[in-house]
Amino acid sequence: QQPVQSPQAVILREGEDAVINCSSSKALYSVHWYRQKHGEAPVFLMILLKGGEQKGHDKISASFNEKKQQSSLYLTASQLSYSGTYFCGTEYLSSNQFYFGTGTSLTVIP
Amino acid sequence: DGGITQSPKYLFRKEGQNVTLSCEQNLNHDAMYWYRQDPGQGLRLIYYSQIVNDFQKGDIAEGYSVSREKKESFPLTVTSAQKNPTAFYLCASRRGQGENYGYTFGSGTRLTVV
Repeated sequence: QQPVQSPQAVILREGEDAVINCSSSKALYSVHWYRQKHGEAPVFLMILLKGGEQKGHDKISASFNEKKQQSSLYLTASQLSYSGTYFCGTEYLSSNQFYFGTGTSLTVIP
Repeated sequence: DGGITQSPKYLFRKEGQNVTLSCEQNLNHDAMYWYRQDPGQGLRLIYYSQIVNDFQKGDIAEGYSVSREKKESFPLTVTSAQKNPTAFYLCASRRGQGENYGYTFGSGTRLTVV
């Protein structure tokens, strides 16, 4: 029931773009995105609800494809501060359970 | 500022000991959660509580216990029955289950068995 993220890890140079995917095997009610820096707590980025939604702030945005049961997080013109592990979290239509994804380690280098 | 306070930041446990991790929130959130994170892995749910005096087991509740006597507090006890307790423990809260708000996390407690 845990959503699967891809890629597992990515290394970028400053200014490059990245896409992180989150896929579920069950119909989704919502998708959350979080960023966790090493040794710190995860920080909430955004939530997307069923109905097909896109959200974004600054250079980080996300989309929710209800039909494909997946969400994608887009990081454009990456900055050093974007480094960390990104987790998606999913809530399902069939229950109110919530599961965090497997995580994607993103490293931005100068 | 509202938030979640976890203490202690680091905790060392001897074999056979019970230890209690503290979690306090002043966000007036109904729902509170405990997650365990192992190195390089995601977050796994231990216990959660949606209202005072009520809580449910998560996916890995064995060897752990909780209480919810006050809305603000949700302490986690790691008992001697938990055979591999070394991990990073995160407490979180949310306005409500299924609501359109994200989780707020505390800064975590790193527990090590010595």
